Amino acid sequence: AQSVTQLGSHVSVSEGALVLLRCNYSSSVPPYLFWYVQYPNQGLQLLLKYTTGATLVKGINGFEAEFKKSETSFHLTKPSAHMSDAAEYFCAVSDLMGYGGSQGNLIFGKGTKLSVKP
Amino acid sequence: NAGVTQTPKFQVLKTGQSMTLQCAQDMNHEYMSWYRQDPGMGLRLIHYSVGAGITDQGEVPNGYNVSRSTTEDFPLRLLSAAPSQTSVYFCASSSSGVGTDTQYFGPGTRLTVL
Repeated sequence: AQSVTQLGSHVSVSEGALVLLRCNYSSSVPPYLFWYVQYPNQGLQLLLKYTTGATLVKGINGFEAEFKKSETSFHLTKPSAHMSDAAEYFCAVSDLMGYGGSQGNLIFGKGTKLSVKP
Repeated sequence: NAGVTQTPKFQVLKTGQSMTLQCAQDMNHEYMSWYRQDPGMGLRLIHYSVGAGITDQGEVPNGYNVSRSTTEDFPLRLLSAAPSQTSVYFCASSSSGVGTDTQYFGPGTRLTVL
């Protein structure tokens, strides 16, 4: 079975500091990996995804993530945090092995809330 | 395009009541799904559909029913609400339901069961 672990339920950074949100996955097949962001009282929005090809993936709002197979990781980074980045971030993997054979289902981590201090 | 829409935004039910959460998308997506979000639990899949007339269970289907009579709509029915169903519910859709697809989420329905 596939799974996702996000290290740290809360992360706090100062404005202008590096943002690093950690995600590790477990998968017996090459994974498809996603980062979604949820702003307060809103739905989820895709930040970036890795399917195949280049392991460094760039997303919206200056975020990027690197797929590292040897470390089974897909950490999300942003060089300089902005107040508007305060949100909850979810790492997810496509469920390529499970429920009814649909690969479109997502398995989510438990989320990391990012706070940005002025 | 409105994208994925959900109604209502908020709902309070008493234990044992039934209700339907509505979800619609205008992107002609084949795949639609329902997740529930609970604090510290992330999102968990309730039911999904790969096309009109086809539905299947996810990780936490008990107490919920779905049907998909059109491509656009995917309602979620609570048969007899329980306090354990207090949660935020999200509907999502994607083009074809393959693993590389981006899923588009609605704004959510916040449900409280007393």
